Amino acid sequence: AQSVTQPDIHITVSEGASLELRCNYSYGATPYLFWYVQSPGQGLQLLLKYFSGDTLVQGIKGFEAEFKRSQSSFNLRKPSVHWSDAAEYFCAVGLGDMRFGAGTRLTVKP
Amino acid sequence: DAGVIQSPRHEVTEMGQEVTLRCKPISGHDYLFWYRQTMMRGLELLIYFNNNVPIDDSGMPEDRFSAKMPNASFSTLKIQPSEPRDSAVYFCASSLGGAGNTIYFGEGSWLTVV
Repeated sequence: AQSVTQPDIHITVSEGASLELRCNYSYGATPYLFWYVQSPGQGLQLLLKYFSGDTLVQGIKGFEAEFKRSQSSFNLRKPSVHWSDAAEYFCAVGLGDMRFGAGTRLTVKP
Repeated sequence: DAGVIQSPRHEVTEMGQEVTLRCKPISGHDYLFWYRQTMMRGLELLIYFNNNVPIDDSGMPEDRFSAKMPNASFSTLKIQPSEPRDSAVYFCASSLGGAGNTIYFGEGSWLTVV
């Protein structure tokens, strides 16, 4: 069955620290991969996406993600977190439709 | 562009009443998605349309839910009769092209059924 898994429900990091959010998928073929961010009371905004080619993808707000086919993973990273990055982050996969993981809530400590 | 527009933003209704959520996709987009977000179940795809035609409604929870897209600029999600467990945020989203294209979300319709 097709699925998207975000193993971490909640992550807390200190401001300035590095961040990695995990995402694993299970699909019949390599799907298109996305990361979205949702601030409280808002809709979702696209951070970055991967179709093919270079497996390291750069996105907005200093985020990047790396596609690893062997691990069926698409982890999101940021070298230095800012307090404004506190939000809910969703990994998504698409092959026609678009299905989302359960989300990871990021808390940033001062 | 004004983005995806949803109405109402907030609705509180009594159990058993009919609820209609509305969505105006971004002009020119040919895909439209309805999602439901709850704490327990996360973000669920309910149904999506391509060129106004429903492609996959397997996520629609039960017959009380129905969605229509009479034209390229308007879609509705209807719940009849509503139940407390339908309380959630309902998002409409649209994209130009299918797989792999960026989906743009509306700000959501916050539904509370009491």
